[in-house]
Amino acid sequence: QEQLEESGGGLVKPGGSLRLSCEASGFVFGDYYLSWIRQAPGKGLEWISYISTSSTFTSYADSVKGRFTISRDNVKKSLYLQMDNLRAEDTAVYYCARPHSSVRFMEWLTWGQGTLVTVSS
Amino acid sequence: DIQMTQSPSSLSASVGDRATITCRASQSITGYLNWYQQKPGKAPNLLIYATSSLQNGVPSRFSGSGSGTDFTLTISSLQPEDFATYYCQQSYSSPPTFGQGTRLEIK
Repeated sequence: QEQLEESGGGLVKPGGSLRLSCEASGFVFGDYYLSWIRQAPGKGLEWISYISTSSTFTSYADSVKGRFTISRDNVKKSLYLQMDNLRAEDTAVYYCARPHSSVRFMEWLTWGQGTLVTVSS
Repeated sequence: DIQMTQSPSSLSASVGDRATITCRASQSITGYLNWYQQKPGKAPNLLIYATSSLQNGVPSRFSGSGSGTDFTLTISSLQPEDFATYYCQQSYSSPPTFGQGTRLEIK
């Protein structure tokens, strides 16, 4: 069974940092681009970053560019999101997601349960 | 960035009704349009990809259509488990973008 499980969320002060992790199981981790997608409380979905299979290529939403860094470890079957200089507007549930095919990498089939990040003083 | 606009923002319907949600892109996305269902406190669930391809395990009462800039999600006969929020999303170009969501409520 394909699964993703996020961890690392919590309460952090504005300007602080947090590192999210996402552990995968049940599929060939290294075959897929992976993404982070977030959802602010009561709001819609926002894609924030993806990373290619071998970490060669990364992309970020303008809202997080220069503050967040995506990475992966294919041996550990883990995806990461380093979040620096956090702002109140970064408060959200953060999901890691895997596409339904190795080619169409912006169509997400498998999602984690999400981890809540709260940025507040 | 490509803007995705859904209508309506909310929809009230009864079990057995037919429900239709529309999604408009700010420019042509050919057929790169996907639909997700999300229930409270849960992650989104991919229903339809590439405009009309039903994801495995999704009931056949769900269907999608459209091309270019205008797309539709149709639920032919609403079941109690279908009351949720639905999002469209374009995968034509990066950054991938979502519609604002349509909340489908029981009348």
